[in-house]
Amino acid sequence: DAGVTQSPTHLIKTRGQHVTLRCSPISGHKSVSWYQQVLGQGPQFIFQYYEKEERGRGNFPDRFSARQFPNYSSELNVNALLLGDSALYLCASSGTSNEQFFGPGTRLTVL
Amino acid sequence: EDQVTQSPEALRLQEGESSSLNCSYTVSGLRGLFWYRQDPGKGPEFLFTLYSAGEEKEKERLKATLTKKESFLHITAPKPEDSATYLCVLRRSNDYKLSFGAGTTVTVRA
Repeated sequence: DAGVTQSPTHLIKTRGQHVTLRCSPISGHKSVSWYQQVLGQGPQFIFQYYEKEERGRGNFPDRFSARQFPNYSSELNVNALLLGDSALYLCASSGTSNEQFFGPGTRLTVL
Repeated sequence: EDQVTQSPEALRLQEGESSSLNCSYTVSGLRGLFWYRQDPGKGPEFLFTLYSAGEEKEKERLKATLTKKESFLHITAPKPEDSATYLCVLRRSNDYKLSFGAGTTVTVRA
């Protein structure tokens, strides 16, 4: 079975631009969560979606937004990029158990 | 506020030299404590879930244990392929997000 997939793998943007990151969950999983991981730190929670509804939001500015589609895939959007947004963005999916399973991540570099 | 503190930050081991990683936590109502392994530039890989004090889980050379305030990840006779960052993660009751520690980076030399 395919695990969580994310695209693109790497992305380079300049300050002020907008970016869209994509995630497909494990088949049968209805919940998707997004995390930001800055180098040398543990991941920080951004959003969780379940059945297309936002179920939780971390301490991130309104420049960050997300949505979930009827097929349970998800997009994370970041507007007005700052240098500090450079990070590994992780998507995780979960089913009926407590565990979350992570994708390989998207490495975003903001210049 | 939930807190997850891992120690040491880094651990260098000789192949076959067993050791333990520590995770101390404070949370109001624990739904579950998880251990993940993360290789550089990759997403975290799920290892274990622990739910209550006294619980233990094992997988190959790894064994995770849980008390009311700490969790330990024991690595027995490690091999170079066990080199990775090990993340301690908790989930609070009535919450959906995961709270991560900063991780312990383990390097095993042949």
